[in-house]
Amino acid sequence: DVVMTQTPVSLSVAIGQPASISCKSSQSLVGTSGKTYLNWLLQRPGQSPKRLIYLVSKLDSGIPDRFSGSGSETDFTLKISRVEADDLGVYYCLQGTHFPYTFGAGTKLELK
Amino acid sequence: EVQLQQSGAELGKPGTSVKLSCKVSGYNIRNTYMHWVNQRPGKGLEWIGRIDPANGNTIYAEKFKSKATLTADTSSNTAYMQLSQLKSDDTAIYFCAIWLSYWGQGVMVTVSS
Repeated sequence: DVVMTQTPVSLSVAIGQPASISCKSSQSLVGTSGKTYLNWLLQRPGQSPKRLIYLVSKLDSGIPDRFSGSGSETDFTLKISRVEADDLGVYYCLQGTHFPYTFGAGTKLELK
Repeated sequence: EVQLQQSGAELGKPGTSVKLSCKVSGYNIRNTYMHWVNQRPGKGLEWIGRIDPANGNTIYAEKFKSKATLTADTSSNTAYMQLSQLKSDDTAIYFCAIWLSYWGQGVMVTVSS
């Protein structure tokens, strides 16, 4: 199975400051189609996960452009340009290139 | 608006089975894959498998091949997951999702004698 390694485990950020989360995969996530099926999800406390980004860098509908995704092959990053209070929760990367799909262990974003 | 409505919380005894449902409104499940994901208490997310409701084809994570059975009823636009031979380790919240973008609210399954 593809192992998704997320860092850091937790992140304490002040409102208005940037945040960055890394996700590294144990093998390339480029699929046979040439597409890279790397997603980022946010799970707020007590809620279902919500996808923010798919195909490495495409924002889901309604997701503010404070969020951005980048990376390729095995190395990916989620950035929040200016953290807001609504951003707290646990962020997960998820690869959908290889079966079984696998999640990172999560990064907990807390407000400083 | 796409909505996924999951069935209510389940309490199952060890060795028994439970069947969870996920009813979709606002989208025809024939045109997508239905994924199931679990989350053990205080832990992260784990992909169980997916079903193509149009033809019933399924793919499971290895550890769930003898645990979970995914089915779908396109006439009612509903997907199901049966969990068999329940153990305490199966205690978790179970989510359904389409496109991994639209998620159900999750259902708590508690295994206890």
